[in-house]
Amino acid sequence: DIQMTQSPSSLSASVGDRVTITCRASQGISSWLAWYQQKPEKAPKSLIYAASSLQSGVPSRFSGSGSGTDFTLTISSLQPEDFATYYCQQYNSYPPRFGGGTKVEIK
Amino acid sequence: EVQLVESGGGLVQPGRSLRLSCTASGFTFGDYAMSWVRQAPGKGLEWVGFIRSKAYGGTTEYAASVKGRFTISRDDSKSIAYLQMNSLKTEDTAVYYCTRDYDSSGYYDYWGQGTLVTVSS
Repeated sequence: DIQMTQSPSSLSASVGDRVTITCRASQGISSWLAWYQQKPEKAPKSLIYAASSLQSGVPSRFSGSGSGTDFTLTISSLQPEDFATYYCQQYNSYPPRFGGGTKVEIK
Repeated sequence: EVQLVESGGGLVQPGRSLRLSCTASGFTFGDYAMSWVRQAPGKGLEWVGFIRSKAYGGTTEYAASVKGRFTISRDDSKSIAYLQMNSLKTEDTAVYYCTRDYDSSGYYDYWGQGTLVTVSS
């Protein structure tokens, strides 16, 4: 099974900051990587698929990059509604697996 | 508007069974694979299993942790996906989310609101 490792596990940032979250796969997954956002007591919401494609309706301040084993989610200018937990997920092979999550908190 | 609504969660004793339903609307249900993902209290996301569309045989795949105990099925005429959970264990306690599987890829573009299953004596 492919393991997914996110870093950091949490971070504190201010509104307007540029935020970067990293996700590493234990083996190559090409670009079969997705990012999700989850707010407390809510269902996850899809943000990015195929490593860098923005899901419809997602603000352009979110972007993804990477291929193979190393991936990045970037929020170019953090907004109040972006404080949440972010998960990466590989879907290159079964079983699909999620990273442990990165909690973005207000500084 | 795509909507997925889970139901059927609740408190159940270890060893007993429970069936969750996921009622879909806003898209042609039969064209899509559907997956279940769960989240234990305070923990991360764990894939449970999925069912392919009839066009791809309607076959299923399961996580090792639930294989042999859980069964996913679908009724395309009612736009409902089911998760039958047997021989429940305390470690199955979680919020269970129904998801739409984009292009049968394993990417989940829409999620339901979730239903809580608590396994406890």
